[in-house]
Amino acid sequence: DSGVTQTPKHLITATGQRVTLRCSPRSGDLSVYWYQQSLDQGLQFLIQYYNGEERAKGNILERFSAQQFPDLHSELNLSSLELGDSALYFCASSVFGSTDTQYFGPGTRLTVL
Amino acid sequence: GIQVEQSPPDLILQEGANSTLRCNFSDSVNNLQWFHQNPWGQLINLFYIPSGTKQNGRLSATTVATERYSLLYISSSQTTDSGVYFCAVVLFMDSNYQLIWGAGTKLIIKP
Repeated sequence: DSGVTQTPKHLITATGQRVTLRCSPRSGDLSVYWYQQSLDQGLQFLIQYYNGEERAKGNILERFSAQQFPDLHSELNLSSLELGDSALYFCASSVFGSTDTQYFGPGTRLTVL
Repeated sequence: GIQVEQSPPDLILQEGANSTLRCNFSDSVNNLQWFHQNPWGQLINLFYIPSGTKQNGRLSATTVATERYSLLYISSSQTTDSGVYFCAVVLFMDSNYQLIWGAGTKLIIKP
């Protein structure tokens, strides 16, 4: 158990819909990272938040957004969903930034029908 | 942009064998990490190794930053070592950074 929790574990929705994925980092970790893992794209870094502020942005679509709240949990919002958004979405946390060991949550499997 | 290539893409070994996984990157990097994704999907950080050598039990990793590659060694393989091994590199660019993952090496350890 990494100490990082993600909810829900599975999510099935329809095209055009909007969903929110939630992540709670390890106690004491200030950074949260979001990743997308799909069969055709592999693992893609989406975005990092550090202590409530956006720190780095990767291959995140404009239809996607994220935030980190004062209690350091984070949410990833996916809107206008397309079939190609079906993937495993991982959250990770680290104490500080990109040079620290990242600890991954179990992931949320999103299926868009 | 930077390319991260892992080899071999697939590796099948008998329990007890040793293996070497390679990660090549096309430009200088600020950070390199190795991860293991087990057959149930869980991702686990193995090493943070921008340069030098580190060991953790049966696993060790070496990064030669000047030659732009990293190696992950697994000795006396066990079936629990099965899964996909990823390397990921970090590039700092202005106030942003890019985290780029290789495609992974799928390792199957047969009993």
